[in-house]
Amino acid sequence: GAVVSQHPSRVICKSGTSVKIECRSLDFQATTMFWYRQFPKQSLMLMATSNEGSKATYEQGVEKDKFLINHASLTLSTLTVTSAHPEDSSFYICSAALLGGAKGFYYGYTFGSGTRLTVV
Amino acid sequence: AQTVTQSQPEMSVQEAETVTLSCTYDTSESDYYLFWYKQPPSRQMILVIRQEAYKQQNATENRFSVNFQKAAKSFSLKISDSQLGDAAMYFCAYRGPSGGGADGLTFGKGTHLIIQP
Repeated sequence: GAVVSQHPSRVICKSGTSVKIECRSLDFQATTMFWYRQFPKQSLMLMATSNEGSKATYEQGVEKDKFLINHASLTLSTLTVTSAHPEDSSFYICSAALLGGAKGFYYGYTFGSGTRLTVV
Repeated sequence: AQTVTQSQPEMSVQEAETVTLSCTYDTSESDYYLFWYKQPPSRQMILVIRQEAYKQQNATENRFSVNFQKAAKSFSLKISDSQLGDAAMYFCAYRGPSGGGADGLTFGKGTHLIIQP
């Protein structure tokens, strides 16, 4: 089945530094990827949608300059948390839309295993 | 904006019994998709079941089935013969009708399902 590999699974960084999270589609081409944030014991909140070769679309309230998303190829999307602060500590999950057939109809999503970011 | 509401923060069921998790949603669209996802302690999101709004028949996947009431905007999940491995957070999610895969999911707050041995 379609697999999205997300790395790192855990990262601890110092306040003020930047952290990059990668999501790779292993056996399919991911035209569209989504980035979610999940606080402890809470739901997943969509942060942004990235399309290969174009600028990401951010949800209302998400700082574009803090959460930089790059989707330079059909198999790789990255989320960079810039100048991280303790309030950015969270669980980040990527997801790819699964499309198929001649017309590229949507038929599902696959999720990465998530990244736990701790900013100290 | 679409909203998804799960009114049960936590549910508990005896092993081998049946449990129903509730979900309601709000949308002005007529064509959309609804999902139930399971998130075990590993935090990997696992698709449990999916329903297309245009289909009147309720989706079923082995021990998992839904009761989709479009007019009432209700989408409950029934788990039959509950097993210890079913213990997890369950999220109800909504996706709108735009073409291709351009829409992300709107999730409910989740229901923590506990299985009593």
